[in-house]
Amino acid sequence: GDSVTQMEGPVTLSEEAFLTINCTYTATGYPSLFWYVQYPGEGLQLLLKATKADDKGSNKGFEATYRKETTSFHLEKGSVQVSDSAVYFCALSAPTNDYKLSFGAGTTVTVRA
Amino acid sequence: DVKVTQSSRYLVKRTGEKVFLECVQDMDHENMFWYRQDPGLGLRLIYFSYDVKMKEKGDIPEGYSVSREKKERFSLILESASTNQTSMYLCASTAGDQAKNIQYFGAGTRLSVL
Repeated sequence: GDSVTQMEGPVTLSEEAFLTINCTYTATGYPSLFWYVQYPGEGLQLLLKATKADDKGSNKGFEATYRKETTSFHLEKGSVQVSDSAVYFCALSAPTNDYKLSFGAGTTVTVRA
Repeated sequence: DVKVTQSSRYLVKRTGEKVFLECVQDMDHENMFWYRQDPGLGLRLIYFSYDVKMKEKGDIPEGYSVSREKKERFSLILESASTNQTSMYLCASTAGDQAKNIQYFGAGTRLSVL
């Protein structure tokens, strides 16, 4: 079945450091790919998405590129801030079942001042 | 602004109790979902609903049921709570159009079953 694997955390960084969170997927066909973020005490919210190969999603300084050849959707940010401390979830939506999302386990990121 | 409201942030219940978790969305969305979130496991889908009075099992429906009597409200029911149902529960909704992949989440209900 469809599945998402993302790097395990927790990840601790200093402010202005470079952040990357790896995400790979297994799916039938060509899924849509998402990154959701959960700030402390809140529900998840969409950070960015990409719906076809080579698409780049971007938001709030974060970027991720849909790589079909490596079945990956790695999240990157060039200079993190304390406010980026959160749990990040990679997710996919399969074309045959596109109401449902399959989530990765989540990666906890802590940014220190 | 989009809003998904879960009735309780924290609940403490005893084993064997019947538990109701309520979720209301104000976006006129067709689709609603219940997940549980556990460390290291991410989000797992319990049940979802495409329309009023319609429900579908997700990946882990055992021990749960749902009710959707009105479009805006989706309730999760634990018929007889057990300690292994201690978890964070998240409700979400999506529109029934091209934006249907974008799920909007409530803040979650942290349930402890003693």
